[in-house]
Amino acid sequence: AQKVTQAQTEISVVEKEDVTLDCVYETRDTTYYLFWYKQPPSGELVFLIRRNSFDEQNEISGRYSWNFQKSTSSFNFTITASQVVDSAVYFCALSEAFGNQFYFGTGTSLTVIP
Amino acid sequence: ETGVTQSPTHLIKTRGQQVTLRCSSQSGHNTVSWYQQALGQGPQFIFQYYREEENGRGNFPPRFSGLQFPNYSSELNVNALELDDSALYLCASRPGGAEVYGYTFGSGTRLTVV
Repeated sequence: AQKVTQAQTEISVVEKEDVTLDCVYETRDTTYYLFWYKQPPSGELVFLIRRNSFDEQNEISGRYSWNFQKSTSSFNFTITASQVVDSAVYFCALSEAFGNQFYFGTGTSLTVIP
Repeated sequence: ETGVTQSPTHLIKTRGQQVTLRCSSQSGHNTVSWYQQALGQGPQFIFQYYREEENGRGNFPPRFSGLQFPNYSSELNVNALELDDSALYLCASRPGGAEVYGYTFGSGTRLTVV
């Protein structure tokens, strides 16, 4: 069965600190996709990144970086030099290669304090 | 290009009533999915439509039904509303095909059942 675990329910950091959001997943598929979404108070889920199971290369996009490790079934997300605008709920999600649904974690609420 | 739009944004219904939520998918996207997000939880998959046919369903009872129209817009219908149906309902669209791309989400409809 597919499952995504985000053990950190809430995190608070002071502006300019770095923060890492953890994501651990379970799947029996050899081909799958992993995603991160940001949900600001407005409610809309904003797509951040997609990674397929064959691409373990880490990715950096501005202040955001992602660390994908198949050996530990983890896909962690780091925000460097956090800003108040980063305050939101962040969701990690998993999809099978030919599946029709995304499996979301329960989310991590990040508060960046000015 | 326009994103995913949902209507209405907020809705209050009485237990036992029926409700219809609407969604216009992003231009070029022929796959539409609906998710239910209870307060403090991650989105849960309701069902997916691809080219007007339902091609995936989550663990939701038959009183949750849907439609997709030739222009790829979609409706979610819920009959015999229960208090536990109170949630944010998210519509999401993506291109169909073999690759699993990230969804584009709408801002959701906040449904309150009293």
